[in-house]
Amino acid sequence: QSVLTQTASLSGSPGQSITMSCTGTNNDVGNYDLVSWFQQHSGEAPKLLIHRVSQRPSGVSDRFSGSKSGNTASLTISGLQAEDEAEYFCCSYAGSSTYVFGSGTKVTVL
Amino acid sequence: QAQLVQSGAEVRKPGASVKVSCRASGYAFVGYFIHWVRQAPGQGLEWMGRINPKTGGTNYTQDFQGRVTMTRDTSINTVYMELDSLTSDDTAVYFCARQSGLIFGDIWGQGTLVIASS
Repeated sequence: QSVLTQTASLSGSPGQSITMSCTGTNNDVGNYDLVSWFQQHSGEAPKLLIHRVSQRPSGVSDRFSGSKSGNTASLTISGLQAEDEAEYFCCSYAGSSTYVFGSGTKVTVL
Repeated sequence: QAQLVQSGAEVRKPGASVKVSCRASGYAFVGYFIHWVRQAPGQGLEWMGRINPKTGGTNYTQDFQGRVTMTRDTSINTVYMELDSLTSDDTAVYFCARQSGLIFGDIWGQGTLVIASS
């Protein structure tokens, strides 16, 4: 099972914006608008931030936004806050009722 | 409110099997797929498969085909994930997660630690 490629780590100061990427292939990210993003704080279960590339569930801050171009999906965090320090995983539908996760990006707030 | 509650931590010897449960409450159990995802210590998330609680139909990733079995008991709104022939590489936290329509992972269980060690 292939893993979507994510930048291992990113950092930013409070108030800044950061963008992380998630690169797949024509068999997953590039072929379906079914990319999700999850936030995971240490020791906790993942939390859904974005689904269907750019849709935010009710209750998720509008500081989080998603997009996709070709085989690469992106998550932007605007107005970085201390509570945003966590690991972020992308996930894509990969056809035949299967899903694949990204390798994860650790975000540090300086 | 809708939630998923998983069974407690398990310790098994290599070669043994483990069965983890995930009990749903607060929503119509048979209307939503349940997925299983695992996370080895310090590692990323790995999708294992899913079950349709209405039909019992399953889809597994090839990495676990033949070694994982997902089942459900509609009388108690519970799904199970059984993993056979455990090795130390199977030591991980196992999560169940709900799929709502096209939205995967809107609700997650708290996770179950499985340790495979002699």
